[in-house]
Amino acid sequence: EIVLTQSPATLSLSPGERATLSCRASQSVSSYLAWYQQKPGQAPRLLIYDASNRATGIPARFSGSGSGTDFTLTISSLEPEDFAVYYCQQRSNWPRGTFGQGTKVEIK
Amino acid sequence: EVQLVESGGGLVQPGRSLRLSCAASGFTFDDYAMHWVRQAPGKGLEWVSGISWNSGSIGYADSVKGRFTISRDNAKNSLYLQMNSLRAEDTALYYCAKDMYPNTLDDAFDIWGQGTMVTVSS
Repeated sequence: EIVLTQSPATLSLSPGERATLSCRASQSVSSYLAWYQQKPGQAPRLLIYDASNRATGIPARFSGSGSGTDFTLTISSLEPEDFAVYYCQQRSNWPRGTFGQGTKVEIK
Repeated sequence: EVQLVESGGGLVQPGRSLRLSCAASGFTFDDYAMHWVRQAPGKGLEWVSGISWNSGSIGYADSVKGRFTISRDNAKNSLYLQMNSLRAEDTALYYCAKDMYPNTLDDAFDIWGQGTMVTVSS
C-alpha cells in the first residue's frame, strides 16, 4: 500500500508570505498526484491535478511540482482565504486514492 | 450545475447496517468513475471505495473490505454505499466524489458533495 507523508503538520505564516508544503510517497506514483484545500465545514476543493496542473478556477498563486515520490505545493503569496488544511492524494493504483494526513496553514 | 448530493446518514448502533446514496446531476453520470471518501470528526480524509463507470472495476480500503459494498445505478444517476457490521470507528462524514475525466481510472476528484454524517454508537 502506498503511504503519503505530508510535512510540516502545521505551517504558521503571515498573509503575503510564501508557503511550501511537501508530500512524499512511499513508492513512485509517477505524476498521479493531486492537492486539495479544505476549509472548516466545507468539502475538499481540487487545486492541482497530475502534480502540476491547476484545476479550473484556481488562482495562479497556487503551483505544484514534483514526480515519482517527492511533491511540493507552493502558494506564492498567501491571501487571507488561503488559510486552510491541504491534502495530497495519489491515484497511481486504481481504484485507491490514498490521502496524506494533511498540512494546516495557519495565520501567524 | 454539476452537483452531488449525499443522503442516508444517521445514528446507528454497532453491528447494524446503513445505506448511503449520492444523487448526481449536471453531467453524464455513466461516463465517470465515482468514489466514497470519509472524514472522522477532527481527522483527515480517508478514501473508502471506488467504482468504474460501468461497475466493471471496484475497490475498497482495507478498513471496510468485506463489510461495505459500493454500487451504482446509471439509469438513476445514483451512487450507493451499503454499510454492514458498522463499528464505532466508521463514525465519519461520508462524501461522494467524481473522477475528473470520463472513462479513465487514475484521475483526481474534481467534484465533491457536502457529505452525510454517519454516527455509530449504542
